[in-house]
Amino acid sequence: AQRVTQPEKLLSVFKGAPVELKCNYSYSGSPELFWYVQYSRQRLQLLLRHISRESIKGFTADLNKGETSFHLKKPFAQEEDSAMYYCALRSRRQLTFGSGTQLTVLP
Amino acid sequence: DTGVSQDPRHKITKRGQNVTFRCDPISEHNRLYWYRQTLGQGPEFLTYFQNEAQLEKSRLLSDRFSAERPKGSFSTLEIQRTEQGDSAMYLCASSLSGATDYEQYFGPGTRLTVT
Repeated sequence: AQRVTQPEKLLSVFKGAPVELKCNYSYSGSPELFWYVQYSRQRLQLLLRHISRESIKGFTADLNKGETSFHLKKPFAQEEDSAMYYCALRSRRQLTFGSGTQLTVLP
Repeated sequence: DTGVSQDPRHKITKRGQNVTFRCDPISEHNRLYWYRQTLGQGPEFLTYFQNEAQLEKSRLLSDRFSAERPKGSFSTLEIQRTEQGDSAMYLCASSLSGATDYEQYFGPGTRLTVT
């Protein structure tokens, strides 16, 4: 069975500092991984997908199969990045989510 | 708003009562998903429809839970004989089969409180 682990429930950084949100997974097949974000009073939305390898809102995430990780990174955090971030693994149409990390970017 | 909509947004019910939630997906989306989210956890998959066919069900979906999508458009999730452990946010999502199937669009959720 697949599993997604986000070890940090809360993460605070200062504006302009680098940020890394950790995600580890266990899955027997070839994983398809995503980061979803939920801003305050908004619905859950897709932030990025590992296959696309693109940067969205300055965030990037690299799939490391050796370490079974998919950490989310941004070199310079902004206050508007404050949100709940969920790492998710997709298999057979369903998503398995981690428990989420609440990121707070302090001024 | 052309996104996924859910009704009601909040439901308070007494233990033992039945409740039904509705989800209206994005109009052209043929795939529809239900998830449950409890406090401090990420969403957990419950079930998935392609058009009107229910193709996958999680072990979380006990016999008290039933979901339908009769005409391949809106879906309902019914919980019979509710228990306090059913208190959660119930999320609906939809996607379009094909190249962009990977992206699930989520609704605002229905928060259920069982007293």
